[in-house]
Amino acid sequence: QVTLRESGPALVNPTQTLTLTCTFSGFSLITRGTCVSWVRQPPGKALEWLALIDWDDDKYYNTSLRTRLTISRDTSKNQVVLKMSNIDPVDTATYYCARMIYYHDSRGSPFYFDYWGQGTLVTVSS
Amino acid sequence: DIQMTQSPSSLSASVGDRVTITCRASRTIFSYLNWYQLKPGKAPKLLIFAASTLHSGAPSRFSGSGSGTDFTLTINSLQPEDFATYFCQQTYSTRSAFGGGTKVDI
Repeated sequence: QVTLRESGPALVNPTQTLTLTCTFSGFSLITRGTCVSWVRQPPGKALEWLALIDWDDDKYYNTSLRTRLTISRDTSKNQVVLKMSNIDPVDTATYYCARMIYYHDSRGSPFYFDYWGQGTLVTVSS
Repeated sequence: DIQMTQSPSSLSASVGDRVTITCRASRTIFSYLNWYQLKPGKAPKLLIFAASTLHSGAPSRFSGSGSGTDFTLTINSLQPEDFATYFCQQTYSTRSAFGGGTKVDI
């Protein structure tokens, strides 16, 4: 059974660094084609993809947030950590982690997010 | 970056209705389009991937169509548990992007 659970602070002061942890079970992050992604949703707004880390420890970031994000993994603990620096009230959102799986296609490398955590609400306020 | 435009942003429907949500990509994404369902306080659910493939566990009343830049999610015979927000996602680019969402309410 695949599960993911996000953890981190519910309230963060502006300018601090937010650290979120995704603890997962039921799959291995070293299996080819398997990744973990982070996605957020500000209240009443759309989903925004943030970052991903893949089975080969390659990392990809949202272009507009690239300078503020760091994603890492600890395969022994089945955890993926996302750090977001210089946090601002506009970063108030529910943060989700999700398992990302590449599937076969002759023309490209498409994927889907098949399992998600329930999300953790992070409020940025002084 | 590929932009995804979803419409409508919200709609009201009744149990038993057929509901259609559209998603348009700013450039061709072949059939690399997924649909998700979100409910407050719950983990998002994958409904459709590859534009038209029903994910295991998703009810058969959900269907997807389209390719290139224009895509559709259809819910046949809306059920009470279907009142939620739906998002499309392009996966042509590794740096994926979501549509703005469609809230389906009563």
